[in-house]
Amino acid sequence: KNEVEQSPQNLTAQEGEFITINCSYSVGISALHWLQQHPGGGIVSLFMLSSGKKKHGRLIATINIQEKHSSLHITASHPRDSAVYICAASYNNNDMRFGAGTRLTVKP
Amino acid sequence: DSGVTQTPKHLITATGQRVTLRCSPRSGDLSVYWYQQSLDQGLQFLIQYYNGEERAKGNILERFSAQQFPDLHSELNLSSLELGDSALYFCASSIYGAGNTQYFGPGTRLTVL
Repeated sequence: KNEVEQSPQNLTAQEGEFITINCSYSVGISALHWLQQHPGGGIVSLFMLSSGKKKHGRLIATINIQEKHSSLHITASHPRDSAVYICAASYNNNDMRFGAGTRLTVKP
Repeated sequence: DSGVTQTPKHLITATGQRVTLRCSPRSGDLSVYWYQQSLDQGLQFLIQYYNGEERAKGNILERFSAQQFPDLHSELNLSSLELGDSALYFCASSIYGAGNTQYFGPGTRLTVL
């Protein structure tokens, strides 16, 4: 069983829709990361959070430490948001575990 | 552009061979991380170096080794290559440890034939 679980695996949305991707982790972490991997393979770090909520443009990330759960929201989705979104948990021993990723397709 | 560079971009080699992947971190970053991304296993953490010293080890095979040099660039050495080692290898850097934002390089695609 993966220590980091993401859902859904695949997500198709129409342009303009509000999107939520969920991530659950099984043990205590030092930080939770959201990454975006473009079709070309490049990886960009979107957020790193250990509590509360962060916002960057149309992207919002939240984390609930008690429930060991994080969500990534995209408001007013656009075709250029199409990518794989990966949740990753880092631990105090500097280990890092990744979710399997959510493949998002936003149709115009 | 993340500021992290990796060479080469692509590498094709044969089973049993040895290769070296190179990573230059962002200016000022002390930590370097290596990750492997394969189709069946997804992203996996291999190893982290901080200012020249090994800081954390993940799912790194004994056939693989890494080091970080005084100028902070890092090399990942893969030996006795097997077909299953074919993957994308990413390097990332951060100013300190895993509690900091990581900046990823473009990756090296390794194909073992």
